[in-house]
Amino acid sequence: SYDLTQPPSVSVSPGQTASITCSGDKLGNKYACWYQQKPGQSPVLVIYQDSQRPSGIPERFSGSNSGSTATLTISGTQATDEADYYCQTWDSDTVVFGGGTKLTVL
Amino acid sequence: QVQLQESGPGLVKPSQTLSLTCTVSGDSMISGGTYWSWVRQHPGKGLEWIGYIYYSGTTYYNPSLKSRTTISVDTSKTQFSLKLSSVTAADTAVYYCARFRDGSSYYQFHDYWGQGTLVTVPS
Repeated sequence: SYDLTQPPSVSVSPGQTASITCSGDKLGNKYACWYQQKPGQSPVLVIYQDSQRPSGIPERFSGSNSGSTATLTISGTQATDEADYYCQTWDSDTVVFGGGTKLTVL
Repeated sequence: QVQLQESGPGLVKPSQTLSLTCTVSGDSMISGGTYWSWVRQHPGKGLEWIGYIYYSGTTYYNPSLKSRTTISVDTSKTQFSLKLSSVTAADTAVYYCARFRDGSSYYQFHDYWGQGTLVTVPS
């Protein structure tokens, strides 16, 4: 089975840039997307097709994917960005989620 | 605006079958490249994909749950359903239904999610 690995936690100061990684075998040959989930809420898609932002997602959210790592970057991080973030890809007719990263803004 | 709403029992006894229904509004469910997905989240844990179904009835399941999972669709009611058999306390989780977009080799993502429903299986 295909696995995606994320760091359990990332910390960032307000206004700084946060980077959350997602690693998988030759992940750069697939497409990755990212979800934001705040406590008690459903996940929200923030990046799809590696680097595309859905309507309504702030420009400070961006993504990239190359080699074996996809990266979600949040520029000018705000307190409201504090949440869990999950990467996701698709492999052999199955959806695969990363284990999630808790982003703390402090 | 697409909306999804899960419904079903919040408590299921061990060894019984968990049954949930997702009602979709704002989408006919028969769009090409659109699948209807179930995802669960154990308390305090990450997201786990259960499976999804195409409007034609074609299904794909997580291999780890495949033997216990059945997903069905009723496009006339714009609903799809999940059945998970022989449940144990390990199946206690929040269950989400979601719309999954599959652009063949170009993109695959869940763009709309239900609010989720907690299903508890007592130990």
